[in-house]
Amino acid sequence: GAGVSQSPSNKVTEKGKDVELRCDPISGHTALYWYRQSLGQGLEFLIYFQGNSAPDKSGLPSDRFSAERTGGSVSTLTIQRTQQEDSAVYLCASSLAWTGEFGQYFGPGTRLTVT
Amino acid sequence: AQRVTQPEKLLSVFKGAPVELKCNYSYSGSPELFWYVQYSRQRLQLLLRHISRESIKGFTADLNKGETSFHLKKPFAQEEDSAMYYCALRGSGNTPLVFGKGTRLSVIA
Repeated sequence: GAGVSQSPSNKVTEKGKDVELRCDPISGHTALYWYRQSLGQGLEFLIYFQGNSAPDKSGLPSDRFSAERTGGSVSTLTIQRTQQEDSAVYLCASSLAWTGEFGQYFGPGTRLTVT
Repeated sequence: AQRVTQPEKLLSVFKGAPVELKCNYSYSGSPELFWYVQYSRQRLQLLLRHISRESIKGFTADLNKGETSFHLKKPFAQEEDSAMYYCALRGSGNTPLVFGKGTRLSVIA
């Protein structure tokens, strides 16, 4: 079956522009996560959706970042007024709620470059 | 607070030599520990879960609650083991993973 997919794979944008990053989780996975992978910083948690519960937004670095998940499936991460420090690889992951001990399945990421 | 520390950014070993990638954690409860690996130009993938006590690709990791460690070990390194390795912790429930900053393993022929 298909794994987690993300689009676009690469995005170059000018400082100040808004960007939208898309994640398609594995079908049936109720939990969806966004992480940011920066050089030398490892992976940083951004936001987490679990079923119909309110998302855990505790990792969002600023109010320029937001995410939504429509219909319990596809998720979009939006960054408004992008800054150069937003340049990173944005990773999406999904998991089954009741088998979380099997870990999370990651997408290939979207490489965002803000010029 | 949950924290994962991987003290080595880069670890270089010769092919056939033993490998140990260090991971220490900070968590007040009973954590779930994982090792993830990212090979060049590939997506991050799960390598090991402490709960399963399995050996994958010759790698093992034992959770030591006394030392709060979850070091990844392999007795004989192979060139194809060269990759970025991340240790991760999850607290209670299906909560987000807390990752270490990663260790790049380079196996030299």
